[in-house]
Amino acid sequence: AQSVTQLGSHVSVSEGALVLLRCNYSSSVPPYLFWYVQYPNQGLQLLLKYTSAATLVKGINGFEAEFKKSETSFHLTKPSAHMSDAAEYFCAVSEGTGNQFYFGTGTSLTVIP
Amino acid sequence: GAVVSQHPSRVICKSGTSVKIECRSLDFQATTMFWYRQFPKQSLMLMATSNEGSKATYEQGVEKDKFLINHASLTLSTLTVTSAHPEDSSFYICSFLQGSDQPQHFGDGTRLSIL
Repeated sequence: AQSVTQLGSHVSVSEGALVLLRCNYSSSVPPYLFWYVQYPNQGLQLLLKYTSAATLVKGINGFEAEFKKSETSFHLTKPSAHMSDAAEYFCAVSEGTGNQFYFGTGTSLTVIP
Repeated sequence: GAVVSQHPSRVICKSGTSVKIECRSLDFQATTMFWYRQFPKQSLMLMATSNEGSKATYEQGVEKDKFLINHASLTLSTLTVTSAHPEDSSFYICSFLQGSDQPQHFGDGTRLSIL
């Protein structure tokens, strides 16, 4: 069975500070991992994905995530937060076979000016 | 990138009304579609999975007679909430899966409010 845990339902950072959003997964097979961002009253936009290639994945808007198998983690980072980064972030895992995705409970990011 | 069009973006209607939400992929053909429901400040709850030309597979606890899904083609799926009641008020989001090793591409969601 697969599952995703996002530690911290709310994260606040100052503008210009490092952003770190945590995601741990469990999977019985090599996982495909994704980070999505959701702005109010909108759908989800893909930030980046890991599909068994390079373990450090770069995405849009300056975000990146590193797949660490030994830690079963896929944390999302950004060196310098912008006000426009304030949103809800979801980590997701799938088996990559077209089966359903499993989403974490989300982390709300607040950027303080 | 892949574009998914979902409409309407917002619906307000009376209790007992049936509401149809349409989801269309504009620049790719999808093998699988998903419909989600999202309550405020919560994650996405998968309602059903559908493949083109076959019946949708509903998650446990989701009434298939209330939430009718029609996956008419590789680019179009509809969700009809039949005889909607206030407890059906929620944010509904569709997504398409382009291939087995691809991410899901989401529509912008529909805010359904039943009075």
